Amino acid sequence: AQSVTQPDIHITVSEGASLELRCNYSYGATPYLFWYVQSPGQGLQLLLKYFSGDTLVQGIKGFEAEFKRSQSSFNLRKPSVHWSDAAEYFCAVGLNYGGSQGNLIFGKGTKLSVKP
Amino acid sequence: DTGVSQDPRHKITKRGQNVTFRCDPISEHNRLYWYRQTLGQGPEFLTYFQNEAQLEKSRLLSDRFSAERPKGSFSTLEIQRTEQGDSAMYLCASRPRTSGYNEQFFGPGTRLTVL
Repeated sequence: AQSVTQPDIHITVSEGASLELRCNYSYGATPYLFWYVQSPGQGLQLLLKYFSGDTLVQGIKGFEAEFKRSQSSFNLRKPSVHWSDAAEYFCAVGLNYGGSQGNLIFGKGTKLSVKP
Repeated sequence: DTGVSQDPRHKITKRGQNVTFRCDPISEHNRLYWYRQTLGQGPEFLTYFQNEAQLEKSRLLSDRFSAERPKGSFSTLEIQRTEQGDSAMYLCASRPRTSGYNEQFFGPGTRLTVL
């Protein structure tokens, strides 16, 4: 069955430090992969997406992610974290075969705290 | 702003009452999804519309839940005889006709609290 695992429930980094959030997926076909960010009490904002081609994708707010098929991973990175990046981050895979209508399977999220 | 909108943003109700939520997708998007998000979890798929047709329903969508999209524009999600376990954030997302890649745009959500 399709699934997304985000191994880290909560991460704290210092402002200005680098960040990597991990995401592993289980899917039987070429995945469509997404990272979303959610601020408290808000909906989800799309940070970046991977469909095909270059395995390093750039997103908004200075984020990037790298797709590694051999490791079934799609880790999110940012070289220098800002206090405004504190939020919850969700990795998702888009279902695109087997009669699915394209709904997303999400991980449980990683909450990011930023120390001043 | 032409993003996805949801109404109300917050709803508090007593157990056993019925509630209805509304979602207005981005105007040129013909595909619409509902998700439910409970505390500490990622969103979980509930149901999907393409235009006015409801094409997919999750097993999470019990018979107390019903969703409609009568004219292929806005959608409503109704929960009958609410239970405390229905307390969650209900998220709506829309997707453009031309996107073959599941890219979805989310609304701000409706937070439901069942007392």
